[in-house]
Amino acid sequence: SQQGEEDPQALSIQEGENATMNCSYKTSINNLQWYRQNSGRGLVHLILIRSNEREKHSGRLRVTLDTSKKSSSLLITASRAADTASYFCATDLTGGGNKLTFGTGTQLKVEL
Amino acid sequence: KAGVTQTPRYLIKTRGQQVTLSCSPISGHRSVSWYQQTPGQGLQFLFEYFSETQRNKGNFPGRFSGRQFSNSRSEMNVSTLELGDSALYLCASSLEGDRPLLYDFGPGTRLTVT
Repeated sequence: SQQGEEDPQALSIQEGENATMNCSYKTSINNLQWYRQNSGRGLVHLILIRSNEREKHSGRLRVTLDTSKKSSSLLITASRAADTASYFCATDLTGGGNKLTFGTGTQLKVEL
Repeated sequence: KAGVTQTPRYLIKTRGQQVTLSCSPISGHRSVSWYQQTPGQGLQFLFEYFSETQRNKGNFPGRFSGRQFSNSRSEMNVSTLELGDSALYLCASSLEGDRPLLYDFGPGTRLTVT
């Protein structure tokens, strides 16, 4: 079963706008990661945030983590058409073994 | 560096048949994990191998099996295929070591069962 939910399930924005997607999880984690998937292809790692971190930046990406609420958000600033993809959060659970547990994903469409 | 490769990329099989999928990890990566992705269940963990040993197994029936070779290449096998096994099967490799777990994913094998 999946660790948690992501919302929204789908998001459509105009190029240049910011996109925010949220992830909730259920149990204690070592870290949380975000991945991107283009149309049924492999996943690409975007960014990782450890459980003792609250915010992380990488280029146009900003990730926040609130362990008290068991939630994370991914912000993509100044979005581009090439950002159109599905975005997944993945949690490395405490005591969960060497595996990631993925959320349900957000489908982002950036229109010109 | 060369990425994770998976073969074949597309496969069509009939119910009741068996199938073997192959994954070659990034050079130097010793851990290989497999995930199944379907529209209904999303991304589900199948199993993880390290040094030819299965270290973790997801909640899948025994029809799903895998193995890893001494060169870290991995195969997964699904026997007695069912329609519900139609999915994108993703392989991911990672270096062995302390956390964080960082994965490189392959492009996937799209399996269609008819």
